[in-house]
Amino acid sequence: QSALTQPPSASGSPGQAVTISCTGTNRDVGGYNYVSWYQQHPGKAPKLMIYEVTKRPSGVPDRFSGSKSGNTASLTVSGLQAEDEADYYCSSYAGSNNYVFGTGTKVTVL
Amino acid sequence: EVQLVESGGGLVQPGGSLRLSCAASEFTFSGYWMHWVRQAPGKGLVWVSCINSDGSSTGYVDSVKGRFTISRDNAKNTVNLQMNSLRAEDTAVYYCARGNSFDPWGQGTLVTVSS
Repeated sequence: QSALTQPPSASGSPGQAVTISCTGTNRDVGGYNYVSWYQQHPGKAPKLMIYEVTKRPSGVPDRFSGSKSGNTASLTVSGLQAEDEADYYCSSYAGSNNYVFGTGTKVTVL
Repeated sequence: EVQLVESGGGLVQPGGSLRLSCAASEFTFSGYWMHWVRQAPGKGLVWVSCINSDGSSTGYVDSVKGRFTISRDNAKNTVNLQMNSLRAEDTAVYYCARGNSFDPWGQGTLVTVSS
């Protein structure tokens, strides 16, 4: 049950794209298509942005997209906006009623 | 609007117990898995526990196995987390979340374990 590995920080200018990676193992990220991504603003509860690797809940802008290759999942935010500045976490099902979150990435809009 | 409201947090001494509750509304509670996730001050999210829709299957992170117990009451639309033998490292905001995509989340309840 080791945390999934994310880069501590990422940044981009308004309008640019930023991609965050989430690396696990074949027992979690690589083994299941149950990777989700969450956005958390300071002092707030997390918000689901992407589920089942690529699916976007209603109300989430299409600037947010997800993908997966092997044991690494990725979240891309295109057309960065000031309100996208937040912490982002990935999560994955890890089998046998277990889940694991990533270490978190702080996204800064320059 | 789907809503989750946690309660039961507070200050407890090491070795003590607390029972957290999460009240759900505006969705068919009995149709969803439910989860508890915690976040220590200034730290990342950690999955804690889950329970299936009828309460017959559960899961726990290794660090709480044998100390925490998750349960649910589908008649009252609540999910609970009984926390025993609490340690300083259990200090965190505890969130409940709906479904295996964790959507939505409650506002959280703060548990502080300190003497």
